[in-house]
Amino acid sequence: EAQVTQNPRYLITVTGKKLTVTCSQNMNHEYMSWYRQDPGLGLRQIYYSMNVEVTDKGDVPEGYKVSRKEKRNFPLILESPSPNQTSLYFCASSLVGRSSYNSPLHFGNGTRLTVT
Amino acid sequence: SQQGEEDPQALSIQEGENATMNCSYKTSINNLQWYRQNSGRGLVHLILIRSNEREKHSGRLRVTLDTSKKSSSLLITASRAADTASYFCAILYSGGGADGLTFGKGTHLIIQP
Repeated sequence: EAQVTQNPRYLITVTGKKLTVTCSQNMNHEYMSWYRQDPGLGLRQIYYSMNVEVTDKGDVPEGYKVSRKEKRNFPLILESPSPNQTSLYFCASSLVGRSSYNSPLHFGNGTRLTVT
Repeated sequence: SQQGEEDPQALSIQEGENATMNCSYKTSINNLQWYRQNSGRGLVHLILIRSNEREKHSGRLRVTLDTSKKSSSLLITASRAADTASYFCAILYSGGGADGLTFGKGTHLIIQP
């Protein structure tokens, strides 16, 4: 089944303890992206990747890192989480990025992160 | 960030009625997409309309795009309880800047049985 898989589904951690949220897609998509969703703010893009070893900042990149060493994986890293990073996080992928203009995004089921 | 703005923020209708939600944006676009999100789950792509298209249909969904008014509408006909969800417009803007879609804040639709 074609899907985007995020892990974990729920995560509670403490301020400053490094964490990684994994994302994997099995559709051979070139483009992958991370979003956070907060009440009243909608979805905001954190980082995106047009292809392997190509990553760039979205609208709210501060406090986050990403890597794209393989096409299928795009982990989100919080080196020193803070309470304002408590949010619902989504990974998404599409066949290609901006260049095709017409590739819909496929979303994972989300990771609910709480930082205390 | 140039978010699209959905209107209304929330909508409650009876099962069987039609639901209409709107999205407005600010500058020229390449395409506009609509997504559905069931409570706390990932978004699901519904329909994509290109800037040179005016109307598209998919099952009970009808999307229109008016580039002169910089707005789009999503119509769900003969609504069902399973249509209860949040609906987001997502805009791919023309020109440079950060890649990717810009999402609105969503319309929360409740279908009363």
